[in-house]
Amino acid sequence: SQKIEQNSEALNIQEGKTATLTCNYTNYSPAYLQWYRQDPGRGPVFLLLIRENEKEKRKERLKVTFDTTLKQSLFHITASQPADSATYLCALALNNDMRFGAGTRLTVKP
Amino acid sequence: GAVVSQHPSRVICKSGTSVKIECRSLDFQATTMFWYRQFPKQSLMLMATSNEGSKATYEQGVEKDKFLINHASLTLSTLTVTSAHPEDSSFYICSAIPGQGFVKNIQYFGAGTRLSVL
Repeated sequence: SQKIEQNSEALNIQEGKTATLTCNYTNYSPAYLQWYRQDPGRGPVFLLLIRENEKEKRKERLKVTFDTTLKQSLFHITASQPADSATYLCALALNNDMRFGAGTRLTVKP
Repeated sequence: GAVVSQHPSRVICKSGTSVKIECRSLDFQATTMFWYRQFPKQSLMLMATSNEGSKATYEQGVEKDKFLINHASLTLSTLTVTSAHPEDSSFYICSAIPGQGFVKNIQYFGAGTRLSVL
């Protein structure tokens, strides 16, 4: 069966460090992969989309990589700030809709 | 742009009553909207895909008579939880994919509705 796994339920890091979150998938061949941010009691907000033919994508302090051989995406936040504390979800396209991982709750401590 | 409004944000109801949740795309037309359910510390679970002008497509295990979806216009989809029971208590979130003029394949989410059934 198809699975999306985000390796850590929670990740705590110190302000200024780089946070690295992992998304692994099995039995999928997604054309693209997305990352979303979700704050408590709110709906997810889109951050980045990376296509299967792209290795890396950047947006300000965010960087996403996509390795279709390893079936893995890494999501990096550089120079992390307490305001980056949230749950981050990866999502893969399946037919015409998206399937989400369980998310990683990131806490950036001052 | 691409704002999705969801209402109400919170509802508390008695067991056996029905609850309607609205999802509106404010500045774009959405032929397709999605309804998700999320339990604490768990992922978004797709319940159904709502298509304007036609019947919704439900995921396996989701009772269509329990969760009624109506997508009557290009900017509004509603989810009605009929005869709600405490086990229906959850966080319900809608999303929509805009058409022309927006980046393809990105879902824009509402703020969610916290349903508590007593």
